[in-house]
Amino acid sequence: AQSVTQLGSHVSVSEGALVLLRCNYSSSVPPYLFWYVQYPNQGLQLLLKYTSAATLVKGINGFEAEFKKSETSFHLTKPSAHMSDAAEYFCAVSLPGRRALTFGSGTRLQVQP
Amino acid sequence: EPEVTQTPSHQVTQMGQEVILRCVPISNHLYFYWYRQILGQKVEFLVSFYNNEISEKSEIFDDQFSVERPDGSNFTLKIRSTKLEDSAMYFCASTQDTEAFFGQGTRLTVV
Repeated sequence: AQSVTQLGSHVSVSEGALVLLRCNYSSSVPPYLFWYVQYPNQGLQLLLKYTSAATLVKGINGFEAEFKKSETSFHLTKPSAHMSDAAEYFCAVSLPGRRALTFGSGTRLQVQP
Repeated sequence: EPEVTQTPSHQVTQMGQEVILRCVPISNHLYFYWYRQILGQKVEFLVSFYNNEISEKSEIFDDQFSVERPDGSNFTLKIRSTKLEDSAMYFCASTQDTEAFFGQGTRLTVV
């Protein structure tokens, strides 16, 4: 079975500062990994995904994540936070051939002016 | 841009009543899913559906739940006899390959 752990339920950064949201996974086989963003009262929007190609994945809105097998991590970063980045971020994992997603508990990102 | 649409956006029902949540997946997608998110908790997988049958379900998806694709466009989740603990946001999703597209959700409140 696979699982996802997101360290930090709340992260607060200043506008223009680096954003780092942490995600560690557990999987018996090389997984697919995803980051989703949820704005208030909206659905989940895919930011980026890793599906066994390049380990550094670039997504929308300037976000990127690096798959590190040795650390079983898939941390999400953005060099400079914008006020519009304030949202809930979910890391998720699925197994190749099995499409159901297992989500982490989410990290709420606050961006201070 | 194609999107997954869900109706209603909010439904209030009395305990013990049946509810049907509706979804229109993206038209060329073949895999459909329901997830739920209880307030303050993580998003949880309920069921996946492919080729007119359930392909996978979680332990949450018990006999109270059922899914159906009644026509070529709709995908529904039925809860037969709602319980207070069924109160949650229910998300429909569809995929063509690895990327799941989610609807905006139906907030179900059981009173």
